[in-house]
Amino acid sequence: DAGVIQSPRHEVTEMGQEVTLRCKPISGHNSLFWYRQTMMRGLELLIYFNNNVPIDDSGMPEDRFSAKMPNASFSTLKIQPSEPRDSAVYFCASTKTDSGNTIYFGEGSWLTVV
Amino acid sequence: QKEVEQNSGPLSVPEGAIASLNCTYSDRGSQSFFWYRQYSGKSPELIMSIYSNGDKEDGRFTAQLNKASQYVSLLIRDSQPSDSATYLCAVNWEYQLIWGAGTKLIIKP
Repeated sequence: DAGVIQSPRHEVTEMGQEVTLRCKPISGHNSLFWYRQTMMRGLELLIYFNNNVPIDDSGMPEDRFSAKMPNASFSTLKIQPSEPRDSAVYFCASTKTDSGNTIYFGEGSWLTVV
Repeated sequence: QKEVEQNSGPLSVPEGAIASLNCTYSDRGSQSFFWYRQYSGKSPELIMSIYSNGDKEDGRFTAQLNKASQYVSLLIRDSQPSDSATYLCAVNWEYQLIWGAGTKLIIKP
């Protein structure tokens, strides 16, 4: 079975540009998470969707960040405008509710803002 | 504030020895506990999950849970250089997992 699929794997962009990260969760999973990982702060939950509905976006750093999940098989995380401090690895993860909370990660999107 | 604490390491263990990784958590209501392994430049991958007090064994890995002490550990027997990675402890809270900062494990040949 295919795992969580993320794109792009690597992105280098200039400050001020818009960045869109994409995620396809595992088929049949109804919960989706966007995480950000840095050396300084570790894994941070940005936003959580359940059945395509955003349940908790308290981890979204500021209004420059937005996330959508238009259907069960696709989600986006957008940063506009991007800043150098947004440089990090962004992971998408999914799980099936009531499966013991085991979540599965995508390979990550490595973002560098210069 | 829900917290999961891990020693950041690095923890250096000789090849063939037992590596012991520890984790404490703050929420007594937590029911699910996970160990993930993360190689440098890769995403976290699930190693073990444990839900009941006691030990759970899977190959060279043993997870130990003590809910009274709010403590969960991971033992790796016959450590191999390929076990060198960062090990993340995660504990459920409502719909999400609370993550520790991870322990970097180095297995020395």
